[in-house]
Amino acid sequence: QLQLQESGPGLVKPSETLSLTCTVSGVSISSSNYYWGWIRQPPGKGLEWIGSIFYSGNNYSKPSHPSLKSRVTISVDTSKNQFSLRLNSVTAADTAVFYCAGVRRFADYVSSWGQGTLVTVSS
Amino acid sequence: QSALTQPPSASGSPGQSVTISCIGTSSDIGGYNFVSWYQQHPGKVPKVMIYEVSQRPSGVPDRFFGSKSGNTASLTVSGLQAEDEADYYCSSYADNNNLVFGGGTKVTVL
Repeated sequence: QLQLQESGPGLVKPSETLSLTCTVSGVSISSSNYYWGWIRQPPGKGLEWIGSIFYSGNNYSKPSHPSLKSRVTISVDTSKNQFSLRLNSVTAADTAVFYCAGVRRFADYVSSWGQGTLVTVSS
Repeated sequence: QSALTQPPSASGSPGQSVTISCIGTSSDIGGYNFVSWYQQHPGKVPKVMIYEVSQRPSGVPDRFFGSKSGNTASLTVSGLQAEDEADYYCSSYADNNNLVFGGGTKVTVL
C-alpha cells in the first residue's frame, strides 16, 4: 500500500528557502504507474497544485500562479525513494500545509496523500 | 493555469441531494476525461471520491456521482448524510503531468 510522509522544517524565515522531502513507501518511486506531486493549502483556504515529477526526472512544475513557478524546484532521489520540494524567496503568503502526493498516471488523480506538514514563514 | 471555479457553498437536508459544479476550460476539464473530486473534513487529509469523471474508488458509496459536460464537471451527492458535511474540491488534468484544483465548496447538511 502506497504511503507518503513529508519531512522538513516547520518554520522558515522570510526570503529564505523552504525545503521539504517526501519519503515514499510501499511502492517504488520508479513505478511507471505514478508521478509525484506537491500540493499546498494555506490556512483556511483551498488546495493549490505546486508541481510534479516523474521518476526519470521529468519536471513539469507548473503552479497556478506564475510567481510560484519561478521559485519552485522539484527533484527525485530514486536511491532513497524520495522526492523533494524547494521553494525560494518565501514570504508570509507561502505559509501553508504542504502535502506530497502520489498521482495515479493515466488517470491523473491523487490516489495517496501524505499527512501534510504545516510550514510557517515568519521571522 | 487558472483555478477551476466552484461555488463556495452548497447545502441540503438529510436525505436530499446536492450538486456541486466545477467550471474549467477546454485546456483542462473540456480537454480531458480526467476530472476527480476530493472530500476533506476539517483538519483531515483530502480523500478521493471520484476519478476519471465518474469512477468511484473502492469504499466510496454510490451516493456520490460524477459527470461532465463540455467544460463543466459536477458532483452530485444523493441521500445526504451528516458525515457528508465537508469541503469538496474538484481537480482536472491540465497538461504535462499537472493538475489544477477548484477553489472548494463547503457542503452543509442542514
